[in-house]
Amino acid sequence: AQSVTQLGSHVSVSEGALVLLRCNYSSSVPPYLFWYVQYPNQGLQLLLKYTSAATLVKGINGFEAEFKKSETSFHLTKPSAHMSDAAEYFCAVSADSSYKLIFGSGTRLLVRP
Amino acid sequence: NAGVTQTPKFQVLKTGQSMTLQCAQDMNHNSMYWYRQDPGMGLRLIYYSASEGTTDKGEVPNGYNVSRLNKREFSLRLESAAPSQTSVYFCASTVQFSGVKAAQYFGPGTRLLVL
Repeated sequence: AQSVTQLGSHVSVSEGALVLLRCNYSSSVPPYLFWYVQYPNQGLQLLLKYTSAATLVKGINGFEAEFKKSETSFHLTKPSAHMSDAAEYFCAVSADSSYKLIFGSGTRLLVRP
Repeated sequence: NAGVTQTPKFQVLKTGQSMTLQCAQDMNHNSMYWYRQDPGMGLRLIYYSASEGTTDKGEVPNGYNVSRLNKREFSLRLESAAPSQTSVYFCASTVQFSGVKAAQYFGPGTRLLVL
């Protein structure tokens, strides 16, 4: 069975500081991994996806994530936080033929001025 | 392209009432999904349709029915609403073909309150 764990339901950083949002997955087969962002009262928007081509994946808005098989992790990072990054972030895994996504519980990012 | 659209945006129901949530996509995607989002629980899959003419249960299907009306439209019906169905509902779609894992694209959501 597939699962996703996001460590930390809330993360607070200062503007300009490094953003690190953690995601660990469980899958018996090579996974496809996704990060989505949700701004208040909106739907989910794709940030980036890992589909086995390259372990370091670059996404929109300066975010990137690194797939580490040995650690079963797919953490999301951004070198310098901006106020507009304040949102909820979801990690998701898809690892079977059904194309279903399994979502983590989300991490709310707060950016302090 | 409008992407994925959902109607209505907001709805208040009384316990026992029925309603249908509508979803349409204009991206020629073959797969469509319905999720519910509750605080601290991420998104949970209710039903999905891998292709026109097929539907399958997801993680939390009880109390819901779906109809894949055509390739563009996928509706979710609550036959007898319960307070436990108070949630935000998202529709999503993706293109699905062998060997490719495309991302899912989401609609703006429907906020449902059941009193």
